[in-house]
Amino acid sequence: QQPVQSPQAVILREGEDAVINCSSSKALYSVHWYRQKHGEAPVFLMILLKGGEQKGHDKISASFNEKKQQSSLYLTASQLSYSGTYFCGTQTNFGNEKLTFGTGTRLTIIP
Amino acid sequence: EPEVTQTPSHQVTQMGQEVILRCVPISNHLYFYWYRQILGQKVEFLVSFYNNEISEKSEIFDDQFSVERPDGSNFTLKIRSTKLEDSAMYFCASTRTGAARGYTFGSGTRLTVV
Repeated sequence: QQPVQSPQAVILREGEDAVINCSSSKALYSVHWYRQKHGEAPVFLMILLKGGEQKGHDKISASFNEKKQQSSLYLTASQLSYSGTYFCGTQTNFGNEKLTFGTGTRLTIIP
Repeated sequence: EPEVTQTPSHQVTQMGQEVILRCVPISNHLYFYWYRQILGQKVEFLVSFYNNEISEKSEIFDDQFSVERPDGSNFTLKIRSTKLEDSAMYFCASTRTGAARGYTFGSGTRLTVV
């Protein structure tokens, strides 16, 4: 079953913050986050493993709540380059099993 | 930075024809995947491949689909008899062994079935 992301779409002005959520009905081992620009391939942002860790680089960070099987992606002080569709991808087991991608969140940053 | 390369970037084919989509994964990656994305929609898993065999496939990956690693570098997806609903963007991805590894996706092949 596909993870559900919210919101489906969000429009921000440059410099504003955004939170994108990903919820699964299954117990998760890991959550990946990817960004896809129009007409391009998804690009890996980060991975979070079971254990409820938080990760981040630059102004993009993420958390994983193992009890709720939810992950959140935080984008702070958004830049024009952050525009795109964000997908979470989930795995239920250790190893290299397939990713099941979420429903996607379209983020538009305006000047 | 190493890349996953896919060819062709765009293919138009008539319904019922066979198509072969090609991918060159990153050389030290051992796990390979095909995903597809119908325009603007979700990214759907098709098949995963490891150690020269299919490790998992989805219900989309029926008898019309096959994958091969004909040599040490290429990884192909064949659709034997294309249908209109096969029109989509097809992405190849690869990853190294072990957990906590992100996937590297190729730039995709846009397949249009007419």
